[in-house]
Amino acid sequence: RKEVEQDPGPFNVPEGATVAFNCTYSNSASQSFFWYRQDCRKEPKLLMSVYSSGNEDGRFTAQLNRASQYISLLIRDSKLSDSATYLCVVTLTWGYQKVTFGTGTKLQVIP
Amino acid sequence: GAGVSQTPSNKVTEKGKYVELRCDPISGHTALYWYRQSLGQGPEFLIYFQGTGAADDSGLPNDRFFAVRPEGSVSTLKIQRTERGDSAVYLCASSLNAGAQETQYFGPGTRLLVL
Repeated sequence: RKEVEQDPGPFNVPEGATVAFNCTYSNSASQSFFWYRQDCRKEPKLLMSVYSSGNEDGRFTAQLNRASQYISLLIRDSKLSDSATYLCVVTLTWGYQKVTFGTGTKLQVIP
Repeated sequence: GAGVSQTPSNKVTEKGKYVELRCDPISGHTALYWYRQSLGQGPEFLIYFQGTGAADDSGLPNDRFFAVRPEGSVSTLKIQRTERGDSAVYLCASSLNAGAQETQYFGPGTRLLVL
């Protein structure tokens, strides 16, 4: 089983739609969780951290479920500019931030 | 301010050759990471530096890969006797320190193609 698993997609959604991605992780000792966004042929960029209490940043909401070992990302009112690959990131702290990326979920927002 | 920079942006080489990839982290960042990303995959951890020392090199695929960070700033990833399977995007990231919630800032990557 992969340490971090994501549905690769692609998710094709119309503008204005709400879309949700899930990511599961296998190591229950994982401590920190993030969503990164990666545009085609570009480097990953931090979208948001994921906290146990859940957090929201504008149209984006991230949730963490430690009991079931998954994190989620919800995007409301999708924009064309949201089209990208969304990477789930899980970290362990072993004296440093040991990071594992998922394979990414591709989102295509259609006019 | 300046972000993480990587050179070259693209590198084409022949099987069996030696290549060096350079990463210039954000000034003042003590933690530096190298990743490799193949098409359709997420970045795969290679090595982590805290200051000048390689604190974790468990992700290096074999002994053809080596990385240094002699002065605790710029890092070089070195690949000997390149193979076609080494073709990928090599990403460098830095963070202020190695704390669990620290954001890693990525460079634009070096696209390596081994013919």
